[in-house]
Amino acid sequence: AQSVTQLGSHVSVSEGALVLLRCNYSSSVPPYLFWYVQYPNQGLQLLLKYTTGATLVKGINGFEAEFKKSETSFHLTKPSAHMSDAAEYFCAVSPRGNTDKLIFGTGTRLQVFP
Amino acid sequence: SAVISQKPSRDICQRGTSLTIQCQVDSQVTMMFWYRQQPGQSLTLIATANQGSEATYESGFVIDKFPISRPNLTFSTLTVSNMSPEDSSIYLCSVPRGGLATDTQYFGPGTRLTVL
Repeated sequence: AQSVTQLGSHVSVSEGALVLLRCNYSSSVPPYLFWYVQYPNQGLQLLLKYTTGATLVKGINGFEAEFKKSETSFHLTKPSAHMSDAAEYFCAVSPRGNTDKLIFGTGTRLQVFP
Repeated sequence: SAVISQKPSRDICQRGTSLTIQCQVDSQVTMMFWYRQQPGQSLTLIATANQGSEATYESGFVIDKFPISRPNLTFSTLTVSNMSPEDSSIYLCSVPRGGLATDTQYFGPGTRLTVL
């Protein structure tokens, strides 16, 4: 069965610092991979996704993630944090050939300090 | 992307009552999904709502507790029945968009339910 592990339920960075949110997956075949963001009291918004092709994926708000098959990872990064990035971030996977179901990680809450 | 609305946005309910949550999409979709997000936790898929057939429930969720309707290709409802405080959660609907190879799930804003 597929699963997603997000290391670190809370991450704190200073404004302007690098953001690194970790996501590892467990799957017999590389799945489709997603990062979603949830701002306080709001629904989920898609940040970026990897399905095929280039392994470095760029998303909205300056975020990007790199699919590393050898490490079964899909870490999310942003070179310079902004106060508005404070939110909950969820990594999710869906099996190839069954792209409708999503399996979510437990989420990482990002805090950004001035 | 998809425009998805949910009603109500939030509600406070008494134990033992039921609440029906509505999900409306701006265009026709084959599948709609219902997720639950318990306080401080991640999202868990409750069921897949198929138009013209019974909903498909995930392990741990049953139709008697979470009946689902899917009367057409743009609308679905999820009912939380005989509620208890443990049902306090955010309930979200989602739809896939983008074609088979690159389907992406788009989520509604959620319904925040508090059961007293």
